[in-house]
Amino acid sequence: RKEVEQDPGPFNVPEGATVAFNCTYSNSASQSFFWYRQDCRKEPKLLMSVYSSGNEDGRFTAQLNRASQYISLLIRDSKLSDSATYLCVVNGRGNNNDMRFGAGTRLTVKP
Amino acid sequence: IAGITQAPTSQILAAGRRMTLRCTQDMRHNAMYWYRQDLGLGLRLIHYSNTAGTTGKGEVPDGYSVSRANTDDFPLTLASAVPSQTSVYFCASSETLTKNIQYFGAGTRLSVL
Repeated sequence: RKEVEQDPGPFNVPEGATVAFNCTYSNSASQSFFWYRQDCRKEPKLLMSVYSSGNEDGRFTAQLNRASQYISLLIRDSKLSDSATYLCVVNGRGNNNDMRFGAGTRLTVKP
Repeated sequence: IAGITQAPTSQILAAGRRMTLRCTQDMRHNAMYWYRQDLGLGLRLIHYSNTAGTTGKGEVPDGYSVSRANTDDFPLTLASAVPSQTSVYFCASSETLTKNIQYFGAGTRLSVL
């Protein structure tokens, strides 16, 4: 079993749709959680950190469920510019030499 | 513009050849990392460095070596390239080992034939 698993995708949605991605992780000791965005043939960029109480940044909402060991990302009112691959990242030991990346979920937003 | 610069952007390499991928950052970050990204797999850490003069092994270190002579540079060397090292390589940095936000370079696409 992979340490970090994501919805396989791809997700193809119309503009304005709401879409949600889930990610499960296997290490119950994991301490930090993130969503990164990666555009085609580009480098990953931090989208948002995920806090225990859940957090929101504009149209993006991230949730953490420690008991079930999953995190989620909700995108409301999807824009064409949201088309990208979304990477779930889990930090196993609280420092950056143990960051575990999911394989990514590809999202395409269509007009 | 501040950030991370990787070179080359892409490279085709014959198996058995030696290759060094360059990475330079101008953000004065203490920690730096090398990852490889393969289709269907997440980014995997190859080596990292907490600060100049120190390095450590990540998840997939075999066949790779690194050095950190100063804060800004973190080269990755393939001593004798093999086809399984065909991948996209990303260098990243963070302020410290525990400040979790990592900033990535644009990547190097390497093909070993």
